[in-house]
Amino acid sequence: QKEVEQDPGPLSVPEGAIVSLNCTYSNSAFQYFMWYRQYSRKGPELLMYTYSSGNKEDGRFTAQVDKSSKYISLFIRDSQPSDSATYLCAMSERETSGSRLTFGEGTQLTVNP
Amino acid sequence: DGGITQSPKYLFRKEGQNVTLSCEQNLNHDAMYWYRQDPGQGLRLIYYSQIVNDFQKGDIAEGYSVSREKKESFPLTVTSAQKNPTAFYLCASSIGDREIDTQYFGPGTRLTVL
Repeated sequence: QKEVEQDPGPLSVPEGAIVSLNCTYSNSAFQYFMWYRQYSRKGPELLMYTYSSGNKEDGRFTAQVDKSSKYISLFIRDSQPSDSATYLCAMSERETSGSRLTFGEGTQLTVNP
Repeated sequence: DGGITQSPKYLFRKEGQNVTLSCEQNLNHDAMYWYRQDPGQGLRLIYYSQIVNDFQKGDIAEGYSVSREKKESFPLTVTSAQKNPTAFYLCASSIGDREIDTQYFGPGTRLTVL
């Protein structure tokens, strides 16, 4: 069983829709949670990171962590065609000095104009 | 411009050959990482280095080797012992000494074995 599970999709939505992307995990030692966005044939870029349970908002993006359920989410409001990409969740146990990240396999999102 | 560069962008290798992928960063980061990305697998850690002249194996180190002779450089050699080397290889770096150690990625190298 993978430590981090993420539905690979593909997910296709119309422009303006609210998108919900999710990951579950089994390792209760994970403390830090990140979402990366990866455009086709490019390296991932960090979107958001969170430490504790709760919500964190940045513009159209909201990251949510529920440690009791071992479940994290990324919500995208008013989705745009430029949001079409693969979204990767990542998690870390340690907080300092070369933390190892464990990634989900990524969800491929297409936002249709 | 500060960032991480990887070269080449595309690389073709014949079976039985060793190849070396380049990764350079000018972010003054202490930690560097190599990942492999395959469809349906996500990113898997090959090797990482927290400081010059030191590195550790990740989850899938067999068939790979690295060196860290300079802070800004972390080359990855894919040896002939790697049985299925065709993949997208990503290099990343992080400051290495802060509470949330964000990793920044390079543009990747796509390796194809012919």
